[in-house]
Amino acid sequence: GQNIDQPTEMTATEGAIVQINCTYQTSGFNGLFWYQQHAGEAPTFLSYNVLDGLEEKGRFSSFLSRSKGYSYLLLKELQMKDSASYLCAVNAGNNRKLIWGLGTSLAVNP
Amino acid sequence: DVKVTQSSRYLVKRTGEKVFLECVQDMDHENMFWYRQDPGLGLRLIYFSYDVKMKEKGDIPEGYSVSREKKERFSLILESASTNQTSMYLCASRAAGVDTQYFGPGTRLTVL
Repeated sequence: GQNIDQPTEMTATEGAIVQINCTYQTSGFNGLFWYQQHAGEAPTFLSYNVLDGLEEKGRFSSFLSRSKGYSYLLLKELQMKDSASYLCAVNAGNNRKLIWGLGTSLAVNP
Repeated sequence: DVKVTQSSRYLVKRTGEKVFLECVQDMDHENMFWYRQDPGLGLRLIYFSYDVKMKEKGDIPEGYSVSREKKERFSLILESASTNQTSMYLCASRAAGVDTQYFGPGTRLTVL
């Protein structure tokens, strides 16, 4: 079957660094996405990894290891506005559909 | 910038009513999607469309239908709304050959 696992909740302190992990088991792999979703709002695109390694974009970085079926999203210099749910999604080969994780709810405390 | 809009942010309907949710994108995207999102269940795909007048069932199509008469517009129809269809409905679009989906603001539907 197709499965994506993420921690349900995480807590971190303003100014700190947090790593949100995502593991996947899918029939195929054509790329992995991270989206951010604030409460009551739509998901917004953060990053896309298709090759192994680290992609850096400002305070956010995303890492992929295809052999391990593993990705993480790294958030640096946390701000209160980073409190949100972070969704991991995999393109498993059917190019029209993504398989979504349930999301990790991150609370950033002062 | 990609812009995806949905007809309503909040909607309250009664059981048995026919409900139309509209989604419009302005980037000439070929692919459009309808999801619902519920606590603990995540994003679940209802229907998607890869071209005008083309549609395919997603993971939970029961109780829903869709219409795509124009490239920019994708409508979700609840033929006879039920209380278990109370949810956040999200529309997304994507260009052919590109993987990133872009979401509209969502419609929070309550069925009483």
